[in-house]
Amino acid sequence: GNSVTQMEGPVTLSEEAFLTINCTYTATGYPSLFWYVQYPGEGLQLLLKATKADDKGSNKGFEATYRKETTSFHLEKGSVQVSDSAVYFCALGGTASKLTFGTGTRLQVTL
Amino acid sequence: DTAVSQTPKYLVTQMGNDKSIKCEQNLGHDTMYWYKQDSKKFLKIMFSYNNKELIINETVPNRFSPKSPDKAHLNLHINSLELGDSAVYFCASRGAGQETQYFGPGTRLLVL
Repeated sequence: GNSVTQMEGPVTLSEEAFLTINCTYTATGYPSLFWYVQYPGEGLQLLLKATKADDKGSNKGFEATYRKETTSFHLEKGSVQVSDSAVYFCALGGTASKLTFGTGTRLQVTL
Repeated sequence: DTAVSQTPKYLVTQMGNDKSIKCEQNLGHDTMYWYKQDSKKFLKIMFSYNNKELIINETVPNRFSPKSPDKAHLNLHINSLELGDSAVYFCASRGAGQETQYFGPGTRLLVL
């Protein structure tokens, strides 16, 4: 079945540092891949997505590239801000658009 | 003009009680979902309805019963609540032909 593996958190960075959150997946076929973000006390929001191999999703300075050869969809940002502190979820789409989520990675950005 | 709303936001109750959580979306979407997020933030799908019909039913105890009175609403009724039901429950919706799901703010359930 489908599965998503994310790096363990928490990830603690200073403001303006470079961010990478690793995500790898196992799936049949070529599912769409997503990053969702959950700010404290809120629901999940779509951050970015990619629907086919080599697609790059981007939003708010975050980027992730769909790598079929390494079955990965790592999230990157060149310069994080305190306001980026949140939990980040990698997910893949499946039958009936059922989303399979990774375990989430908490990011804490400090001044 | 909230897109996906849930009530209540917080729910504290005793073991053995029966409770309901409501979800409404004003996005005109056809498909709605319930997810459970445990204390470690792990998210797992529970149910999905498309045009009021159940299309996804994961391995969930039958104490949980979803009900969709119309396309815009998906409620979750839980009988005989147990300690392990304590979690955050998220509702989500998706438009026809789209893959992106839109999530509600969550209902934080605590069973004592």
